Amino acid sequence: GAVVSQHPSRVICKSGTSVKIECRSLDFQATTMFWYRQFPKQSLMLMATSNEGSKATYEQGVEKDKFLINHASLTLSTLTVTSAHPEDSSFYICSARDKGRSYNSPLHFGNGTRLTVT
Amino acid sequence: LAKTTQPISMDSYEGQEVNITCSHNNIATNDYITWYQQFPSQGPRFIIQGYKTKVTNEVASLFIPADRKSSTLSLPRVSLSDTAVYYCLVGGPWRNDYKLSFGAGTTVTVRA
Repeated sequence: GAVVSQHPSRVICKSGTSVKIECRSLDFQATTMFWYRQFPKQSLMLMATSNEGSKATYEQGVEKDKFLINHASLTLSTLTVTSAHPEDSSFYICSARDKGRSYNSPLHFGNGTRLTVT
Repeated sequence: LAKTTQPISMDSYEGQEVNITCSHNNIATNDYITWYQQFPSQGPRFIIQGYKTKVTNEVASLFIPADRKSSTLSLPRVSLSDTAVYYCLVGGPWRNDYKLSFGAGTTVTVRA
């Protein structure tokens, strides 16, 4: 089946530094990838839609200058948390849709990245 | 996007059947219903998807009535490893940038 790989799975960084999270579709091409954030015991919250070759679309309330998204190829999207602060500590999850599948094909999710900002 | 409503939690015992009903009163004509399973510290995993009537695969069944305003995920003979959060999502991927929003989900706890 389709696999979405996220890296790193865990990262700890100091307040004020930036962290980059990679999301790769391993065996399919994805024109669109989605980034979610999940706090403990809460549901996934959509942060932004990443479109290959164009600017990402951010959900209301998500700072685009803080959460930089780059979708440079059909298999890779990156999320950079800039000047991270403890309140950015969360579980970040990406998902992707197979460009070559039918229009109703389900999304494939990565295994998430646990970010801890100290 | 169609809003969904699910029970917050359900308890069951090993070997029992678990049925989770999701309400989606404003589902659109082109919307599909998709269920995902999530374990702690993992990304959601696709379980099943349907449009109408009944869909069955090796892990679950999905029942959708004619009006499509609700759907029921049926997990037969659950085991301890089925303890997870289950999300019902409704969306129409007819646009290239369609997005799925997650509701609160249902925490299913299976006991021995």
